[in-house]
Amino acid sequence: SAVISQKPSRDICQRGTSLTIQCQVDSQVTMMFWYRQQPGQSLTLIATANQGSEATYESGFVIDKFPISRPNLTFSTLTVSNMSPEDSSIYLCSVDTGEGDTQYFGPGTRLTVL
Amino acid sequence: SQQGEEDPQALSIQEGENATMNCSYKTSINNLQWYRQNSGRGLVHLILIRSNEREKHSGRLRVTLDTSKKSSSLLITASRAADTASYFCATSLNDYKLSFGAGTTVTVRA
Repeated sequence: SAVISQKPSRDICQRGTSLTIQCQVDSQVTMMFWYRQQPGQSLTLIATANQGSEATYESGFVIDKFPISRPNLTFSTLTVSNMSPEDSSIYLCSVDTGEGDTQYFGPGTRLTVL
Repeated sequence: SQQGEEDPQALSIQEGENATMNCSYKTSINNLQWYRQNSGRGLVHLILIRSNEREKHSGRLRVTLDTSKKSSSLLITASRAADTASYFCATSLNDYKLSFGAGTTVTVRA
């Protein structure tokens, strides 16, 4: 298994600003992912955070809006840029440790944009 | 994109009863995972079943998978108040990316 922490756990931000969310894992992992969960909805994959190269984004998500860093095998950041109220969501990171494809999730960051 | 559909959307049961929820998906899969989410917090991994498996147990949980019908079910036996949560199925193929169902909200009444 993996122990994953996220910072901040929640934030309230003004529209037009940006927020960077951090994800820290207690062991080295190859695969890290970022998901968004809009209010009352299920989870949608934003991107795969690749170590040493640019993130791979899913349809509907772009790097200018959600820049991602992955400087090493235990850490990643997701920035939500130029925020609008529609960005109010829970943002979760997940990792695949290679233990039979099980993915583990962080506790999430609850973002409210006013 | 969301490939899973779950039913029911919501389920209310008495403590001690069993809870069953279903998940259907559209494409081929390598495995299917079930997660629990309490009050909009992080997801807790419950169980993973591979495409070549038909049934799996873990404690009070029983998961079945029917690849011919592209469906899975999660059974929670002898439910407790602490089982009150949202439950999601998630499928993946070869790329480790998870595609989530819409989720079932379970309320266990004392």
